[in-house]
Amino acid sequence: NAGVTQTPKFRVLKTGQSMTLLCAQDMNHEYMYWYRQDPGMGLRLIHYSVGEGTTAKGEVPDGYNVSRLKKQNFLLGLESAAPSQTSVYFCASSPLAGGQYEQFFGPGTRLTVL
Amino acid sequence: EDKVVQSPLSLVVHEGDTVTLNCSYEVTNFRSLLWYKQEKKAPTFLFMLTSSGIEKKSGRLSSILDKKELFSILNITATQTGDSAIYLCAAPDLGGSNYKLTFGKGTLLTVNP
Repeated sequence: NAGVTQTPKFRVLKTGQSMTLLCAQDMNHEYMYWYRQDPGMGLRLIHYSVGEGTTAKGEVPDGYNVSRLKKQNFLLGLESAAPSQTSVYFCASSPLAGGQYEQFFGPGTRLTVL
Repeated sequence: EDKVVQSPLSLVVHEGDTVTLNCSYEVTNFRSLLWYKQEKKAPTFLFMLTSSGIEKKSGRLSSILDKKELFSILNITATQTGDSAIYLCAAPDLGGSNYKLTFGKGTLLTVNP
């Protein structure tokens, strides 16, 4: 099992450019999450999904969109990147609701917006 | 609003020392509290503490939960340089939903040889 994988690992964007981060899990988990991690801020939830075809906003959703067309994939999109979106992005998944089971994290994507 | 507060924010110790990391939480309908270790990559799961399991131990790491005082501690004995990491605690978000975890800001532990 690869677990949770993320692509790309690194990316540099210019302000206003768009991109999509891909998260894939092979554990047949229902729930998937996108977080961002900034120095001194811990992990903050951007969007999450409780099943294929569903998405919901987290703590810091502005400037991001997501889609969950297939159960194993969760995409995070930035339509018009801003320097404030420079961060490390983590995807996570869990078999059931995240409070009853651990979340499994991907290796992260380091994004820099110039 | 849910709150998870960790202290200290950073800590520097020498190999062999014992450390105690703190996590306080304000949640309604408490379900669980989780501890993660994050080295230079993804957080990895350490412990989950629930109403039915308020103490966990794995090797040199142990954690307890005090439901009355709403805090948890993570103890690491005989620290090693490999214990250097950010330690995160998290609790399920409130509002009756346990779909989300609220994370504290983490404790950065540095263990010097």
